[in-house]
Order: sequence, then C-alpha cells, then structure tokens
Amino acid sequence: GESVGLHLPTLSVQEGDNSIINCAYSNSASDYFIWYKQESGKGPQFIIDIRSNMDKRQGQRVTVLLNKTVKHLSLQIAATQPGDSAVYFCAENDGGTSYGKLTFGQGTILTVHP
Amino acid sequence: SQTIHQWPATLVQPVGSPLSLECTVEGTSNPNLYWYRQAAGRGLQLLFYSVGIGQISSEVPQNLSASRPQDRQFILSSKKLLLSDSGFYLCAWTGREGTEAFFGQGTRLTVV
Repeated sequence: GESVGLHLPTLSVQEGDNSIINCAYSNSASDYFIWYKQESGKGPQFIIDIRSNMDKRQGQRVTVLLNKTVKHLSLQIAATQPGDSAVYFCAENDGGTSYGKLTFGQGTILTVHP
Repeated sequence: SQTIHQWPATLVQPVGSPLSLECTVEGTSNPNLYWYRQAAGRGLQLLFYSVGIGQISSEVPQNLSASRPQDRQFILSSKKLLLSDSGFYLCAWTGREGTEAFFGQGTRLTVV
C-alpha cells in the first residue's frame, strides 16, 4: 500500500553506472504496473509499464522486471546520466475493479553524480 | 493528442480562506480523473477519483472536497484551508481501463 508518510529512500550512483530501483507491492490482484519519473516541481512522467502476464519488458535504456511470486517490481536504468536524477515511483492498478485506480509506491530519490 | 491542464501553478493562501483548483483534460472522452497530494519529500496520496460526471469517491477523510461538473473538468475545493493542507497537488487522468495515468504539472499550495 501507500507509504506517503515516510521519507523517501535514496539511491546515489556515478554517471555511467547502472541503477536498480526496487518496489514492493501488496495486492496480488494487481495486473498492471507502471514506473514514473518525477523531476522537482513537476508532475510524474511515464517511463515504462508491464502487465502481469510478463516478467520483463525493455525500453530505451530502461528495463522493468516483475516477480509476481514475491510481489516485487524493479526498474533498471543502464548507463545512468545526470538527467536521470529524479524521484521514481512505481504504481499498480488493482485489477478487478470497475475503475482504474492507480496506487503509488513509496518512491525512490535517484541522484546521479557526474 | 490528449492534454491535461492544471492551474494555478503556485498559490499562497491564508488559513481559513477557501480554495479552488481546476483541472481540465482535452482530447479524450469519459476519462477517469484523480486528485493526488504530495507532501515535500513524500509519495503520492490519492485524495479523490471520479469515473464520471457527478461521481466522486474520496480516499481519505479531510478538509477538501472534489467536484466534476463536466466530463473533462475536475475541481478540488475547500471552504476553509488549514495549515496542513499545504502541499503539491496533482491532477491526473486515465482511460477507463485505468492504465497509464497522465499528470498535470501540479499546483504548489502554501497555506500561511
């Protein structure tokens, strides 16, 4: 569920390294997951999504992995760049409902050092 | 293409004053609409969502209310603001299936 009252965890990496951001979800009925990137003072932007019938999906420099057994989602960013510095949120759609409510995870602050 | 507009971008209001934030969506019909709040350094908290005109569901008890007078218009209101209402408010829309959400640029509200 949401952890909106907690300070966000942080991840610091060097430019060029690969980054892995993790997210745990609790609703086993969720069938759709999204990763968002939020830069300071802006609304979240879509990065990549994955449906529950998949384990892995790749985009440009990003890969999302889904492990339904342990309810775990990860975002891998290859060759991280300073422009990747932002807060990253995972979101899940609680499948089976008549509306599409997205529930957001805690978020992780990614800082990329040049 | 679809766009979402949210205004104002920043707002400073005294305690006890009313609030009205507006969000409109263009380029789509029958969207699901959402209001989220984000405290500094925190995650996103869903406040309200709407699946149709006049249909509002509240996620958390609070000093705020929402209305949807038109299909693509979503309004967040308060009769009397509290200091604790300060935060970053985000409007978002999804299709009926509730997949990818598109966010507005947000409103930074400071209650003084």
